[in-house]
Amino acid sequence: SAVISQKPSRDICQRGTSLTIQCQVDSQVTMMFWYRQQPGQSLTLIATANQGSEATYESGFVIDKFPISRPNLTFSTLTVSNMSPEDSSIYLCSVSGAPGYTFGSGTRLTVV
Amino acid sequence: QKEVEQNSGPLSVPEGAIASLNCTYSDRGSQSFFWYRQYSGKSPELIMFIYSNGDKEDGRFTAQLNKASQYVSLLIRDSQPSDSATYLCAPGKGNTGKLIFGQGTTLQVKP
Repeated sequence: SAVISQKPSRDICQRGTSLTIQCQVDSQVTMMFWYRQQPGQSLTLIATANQGSEATYESGFVIDKFPISRPNLTFSTLTVSNMSPEDSSIYLCSVSGAPGYTFGSGTRLTVV
Repeated sequence: QKEVEQNSGPLSVPEGAIASLNCTYSDRGSQSFFWYRQYSGKSPELIMFIYSNGDKEDGRFTAQLNKASQYVSLLIRDSQPSDSATYLCAPGKGNTGKLIFGQGTTLQVKP
């Protein structure tokens, strides 16, 4: 299965600022997914990122808040914009593979 | 109705016992089903997947799927303290390639 390098692993940010999270995959993948895991909660899908097209966002998530780039088949970024304390979560990228889906190690974001 | 429902637990079993984790889902179009294990502070790791009705065994783990009842389960035999974690049920959403996660069941295996 694919190996994903995700960074940063954690960050503490001031409210109103933005943070960009990067995921690098060791093989080419068609679909990449971005999830959020709020404290004590399960994973919620933010968006699906396909190379060469706009990301597809799930209900409750918008591009202005979570812009995503997918410049090639091995790399994607998620930006959390204009952050508030409610954005404090773990953010994870994931790729589909055979079998199943592999996750990055996650970015633990704290907004103060 | 939630798309994926799991009992949040905690489910407590003694070491060596069988742990049974259950999950129901609402999307009749789901074709693939995954079980992930998540240790505290770590990202989810895939432990089982199943596509067809019936049972699928892998070592101490058995996944069971009943599409008519929209039910999937995970059995862990000879439970070990190292199995203590949160288990996430994740059906695929139709043919979209997306996974939708349940809230997870916390399993505690007591020595």
